Amino acid sequence: NAGVTQTPKFQVLKTGQSMTLQCAQDMNHNSMYWYRQDPGMGLRLIYYSASEGTTDKGEVPNGYNVSRLNKREFSLRLESAAPSQTSVYFCASSEAQGTASYEQYFGPGTRLTVT
Amino acid sequence: RKEVEQDPGPFNVPEGATVAFNCTYSNSASQSFFWYRQDCRKEPKLLMSVYSSGNEDGRFTAQLNRASQYISLLIRDSKLSDSATYLCVVNSFSGGYNKLIFGAGTRLAVHP
Repeated sequence: NAGVTQTPKFQVLKTGQSMTLQCAQDMNHNSMYWYRQDPGMGLRLIYYSASEGTTDKGEVPNGYNVSRLNKREFSLRLESAAPSQTSVYFCASSEAQGTASYEQYFGPGTRLTVT
Repeated sequence: RKEVEQDPGPFNVPEGATVAFNCTYSNSASQSFFWYRQDCRKEPKLLMSVYSSGNEDGRFTAQLNRASQYISLLIRDSKLSDSATYLCVVNSFSGGYNKLIFGAGTRLAVHP
């Protein structure tokens, strides 16, 4: 049981390049999330997927797109990377919305630098 | 004003000390509260949920004060392994979706 996995662990991009961050969970969770973490700002929600087939914008969606490929996988795409997108990106998953247990399980993160 | 505010620290304490962190939140409608722990360059992990009546898990005690909108975490008999950043987390229901709001974290350093 691997939990939540993310690839790649590290990435350096030049401004304007594109890339896709991959995330997969094996806990049969319905909800999945993408966050970014910057110093002094806490985790900020980029996009979420409450269930397979749905995606919605979070707090900071500009410059990103997502795909909920199936129940297990939720990818984050940067179409044209900018230095402001330099950050640590975390994927997370949780059981269905509205349940008493709302713990989110996080992947190990992707450290992205845009030069 | 941030939705969840924490003192960033660092709190530098000796082993065996008792240390307390506070966190304030702005949304009076919040119903769920948590403390997460994040080790350096690692992902956040749930430490404990915070219940209205307060709850304890070994050396850790969490308290909720709804009237003043703050949450606290008390760590007794600190261990070197407690060194980490502690994230205060509060739920927020908006746009038909129940999401978690993370504080920026309080850093704890326990020294011998």
